[in-house]
Amino acid sequence: EAGVTQFPSHSVIEKGQTVTLRCDPISGHDNLYWYRRVMGKEIKFLLHFVKESKQDESGMPNNRFLAERTGGTYSTLKVQPAELEDSGVYFCASSQVKAGGAGEQYFGPGTRLTVT
Amino acid sequence: AQSVAQPEDQVNVAEGNPLTVKCTYSVSGNPYLFWYVQYPNRGLQFLLKYITGDNLVKGSYGFEAEFNKSQTSFHLKKPSALVSDSALYFCAVRPRGQNFVFGPGTRLSVLP
Repeated sequence: EAGVTQFPSHSVIEKGQTVTLRCDPISGHDNLYWYRRVMGKEIKFLLHFVKESKQDESGMPNNRFLAERTGGTYSTLKVQPAELEDSGVYFCASSQVKAGGAGEQYFGPGTRLTVT
Repeated sequence: AQSVAQPEDQVNVAEGNPLTVKCTYSVSGNPYLFWYVQYPNRGLQFLLKYITGDNLVKGSYGFEAEFNKSQTSFHLKKPSALVSDSALYFCAVRPRGQNFVFGPGTRLSVLP
């Protein structure tokens, strides 16, 4: 079974540009999550999809971030326009179990975003 | 605010010695407790979790963790460290019905 995949692995963009990150969850997983780790700090929750619907987007930092999951399969996270403080590693995770329960989530390798 | 602390940024231990990576948390209720590990260029991998019951939880690769309710701690342990255990370790708690709250991570270096 293929794991969670993310693309690209690394992106370097200039302030003001747009970047789109992609996440492909494990096939059949209804729950998809986005997280971000700013250098050396804790991993922070951004949002949670159940199929194509946004279940919880309380962690999204501002309206420069837009997440979509059309068709309930892969998801994209767009940052427009990017700012320096957006730099970090963006993780995607998926799970099939009920959200908020005791089941673990399966994480992708992350996309390292550098805004210069 | 809910938070998870991993007081050590870096832990160094000699191969064959026991290791401990510390985690304390401040969340409401009785959360689920997790440890994840990240190897270079890989995603976070699940190691173990505490739901209820025995305070000592055993997980993958010989790791175990001890839950202490009075100290709100969930320290990760291994009796004999391997060089291949060198990685970044994250403690995470999940308040029931809510999302994960992660700690900042602890880098473990096992020296040959």
